[in-house]
Amino acid sequence: EPEVTQTPSHQVTQMGQEVILRCVPISNHLYFYWYRQILGQKVEFLVSFYNNEISEKSEIFDDQFSVERPDGSNFTLKIRSTKLEDSAMYFCASSKFPYEQYFGPGTRLTVT
Amino acid sequence: QKEVEQNSGPLSVPEGAIASLNCTYSDRVSQSFFWYRQYSGKSPELIMSIYSNGDKEDGRFTAQLNKASQYVSLLIRDSQPSDSATYLCAVTRADRDDKIIFGKGTRLHILP
Repeated sequence: EPEVTQTPSHQVTQMGQEVILRCVPISNHLYFYWYRQILGQKVEFLVSFYNNEISEKSEIFDDQFSVERPDGSNFTLKIRSTKLEDSAMYFCASSKFPYEQYFGPGTRLTVT
Repeated sequence: QKEVEQNSGPLSVPEGAIASLNCTYSDRVSQSFFWYRQYSGKSPELIMSIYSNGDKEDGRFTAQLNKASQYVSLLIRDSQPSDSATYLCAVTRADRDDKIIFGKGTRLHILP
């Protein structure tokens, strides 16, 4: 069964450094998303992406964040200058239509 | 007012019994409703989606939606220890179907 994959599974970085989180969505899906979950808190929407552009972003997704689909398979989330409060699980999701989103296993980001 | 509310639990249910999980939402224009299961340290896994009032059954799972009461529930029949997890209620708005809003989840514990 096709699934969303994410790399790395765990990323440790120092405050102020740039990180890139990578995702490979399910191959015939057209809609792509990033969510995050701070430990013990709820899953929060960051951004949705369709037809090579952002379709919606949350207030969390400020100028420090960017997304890109550099080729036909990868979808990336870049955090330009990480802060301690960016420490969280980051989930990529994809969907064939704009509902029923399927999540990847996540990347645990630890900012020290 | 929280957008999606769930009792955090834990909800303890004997093995073989019916587990009943409830969720209310505040936005009347919410259109699509989902239940995700999340094991500790893992990503959300889509188990049910429901779009119209009434019941929807899939195996041991039944989702129930009442838009007038802004209420959605999940019943798990013949509960198994492997059903022990956090269950996340999630909704999308009709005008922005690509943004899922999650509740904090209900922890379910199936007692062997």
